[in-house]
Amino acid sequence: GAVVSQHPSRVICKSGTSVKIECRSLDFQATTMFWYRQFPKQSLMLMATSNEGSKATYEQGVEKDKFLINHASLTLSTLTVTSAHPEDSSFYICSARDSTRDTGSEQYFGPGTRLTVT
Amino acid sequence: KNQVEQSPQSLIILEGKNCTLQCNYTVSPFSNLRWYKQDTGRGPVSLTIMTFSENTKSNGRYTATLDADTKQSSLHITASQLSDSASYICVLYGGTSYGKLTFGQGTILTVHP
Repeated sequence: GAVVSQHPSRVICKSGTSVKIECRSLDFQATTMFWYRQFPKQSLMLMATSNEGSKATYEQGVEKDKFLINHASLTLSTLTVTSAHPEDSSFYICSARDSTRDTGSEQYFGPGTRLTVT
Repeated sequence: KNQVEQSPQSLIILEGKNCTLQCNYTVSPFSNLRWYKQDTGRGPVSLTIMTFSENTKSNGRYTATLDADTKQSSLHITASQLSDSASYICVLYGGTSYGKLTFGQGTILTVHP
């Protein structure tokens, strides 16, 4: 089955620093990847849609200058949380869709990254 | 507005018992509906997929149903195990060009020995 990996699985950083999270599709190509944020006991909230070779599409209320997304290849998207603050502490999950299939096809989710900002 | 509502919010059952989780949706257009299991601190994993024409589908001890007329789906878990303790999320795949998903809030299932 299709596998999506994330790195790191958990990270602790100091307030004011930047953190980069990687999302990789391991056995398929993904022109589109999605970044989600999840708070405790809540469901996933879409932050942005990452498109290979073009700018990401951000959801309303998500600061594009704070959450930088780069999708430089068909198997890798990165999310950089810039100038992190404690309120950015959350569980970040990415997903990817096989680019050879239609938009209704399954999105495969990564295992998530736990970010803690101290 | 596209919405997915799940019930109950949480459920506690004893090991070996059965349970049924509910999902009501108003997503349009409808592509397919999936049930995911999310263990604490992990990403969601797909359990079943239901397309518009399907009424029921099983995956081991998991059986999903879909009533497209009433826009309801259910996930039935048979002979629950301790490892079934997780959040179960109903997700609607719509036919938008960006392939955005609509998530339910999830049902937190706890199985006690």
